[in-house]
Amino acid sequence: EDKVVQSPLSLVVHEGDTVTLNCSYEVTNFRSLLWYKQEKKAPTFLFMLTSSGIEKKSGRLSSILDKKELSSILNITATQTGDSAIYLCAFLAGGTSYGKLTFGQGTILTVHP
Amino acid sequence: AAGVIQSPRHLIKEKRETATLKCYPIPRHDTVYWYQQGPGQDPQFLISFYEKMQSDKGSIPDRFSAQQFSDYHSELNMSSLELGDSALYFCASSSRAGNEQFFGPGTRLTVL
Repeated sequence: EDKVVQSPLSLVVHEGDTVTLNCSYEVTNFRSLLWYKQEKKAPTFLFMLTSSGIEKKSGRLSSILDKKELSSILNITATQTGDSAIYLCAFLAGGTSYGKLTFGQGTILTVHP
Repeated sequence: AAGVIQSPRHLIKEKRETATLKCYPIPRHDTVYWYQQGPGQDPQFLISFYEKMQSDKGSIPDRFSAQQFSDYHSELNMSSLELGDSALYFCASSSRAGNEQFFGPGTRLTVL
């Protein structure tokens, strides 16, 4: 059965800290890995990673995929209170389940002033 | 930029009633996905449509059905509602299957 595991499950930091969120997967028919940020409403798309070793960056956020280790990390530098959210990792299936997202359980990030 | 639109945003129903949730994808997106998110849980895939045809099916109960129309909007029909159906229902769309999915604001369904 396909599985996506995120760690840590929760994290509390202070503004200005740097955090690293982890996502590991055991899946068949891997196509891509996606990161989303979920505050009180819908998941907001952050990154889609398909190739190993290529870092994607957006402002203070960056992410990279390691296909050999079947994992991905999401880094947030100089955290702000507005970064407080649940960060979801999901794998995008290929093959006959083309397009289906399977999510991990999420990491709850709390950033204190 | 235009986003995914879902309606209604909130819905309260009694057990055994029927509900219809609507999703309007981002313009020029041809693929729609439905997810169910229970309290404290991650989103679970229900069903998807590409070019008006069902493309994949997840853990969707037989009491639920869905379709995608010629204008690419989609509707999720839920019958014989149960208390356990209370959840957030998200619709997401992509420009084609396999591209990044953008989520709508969700419909919060409460079954009493």
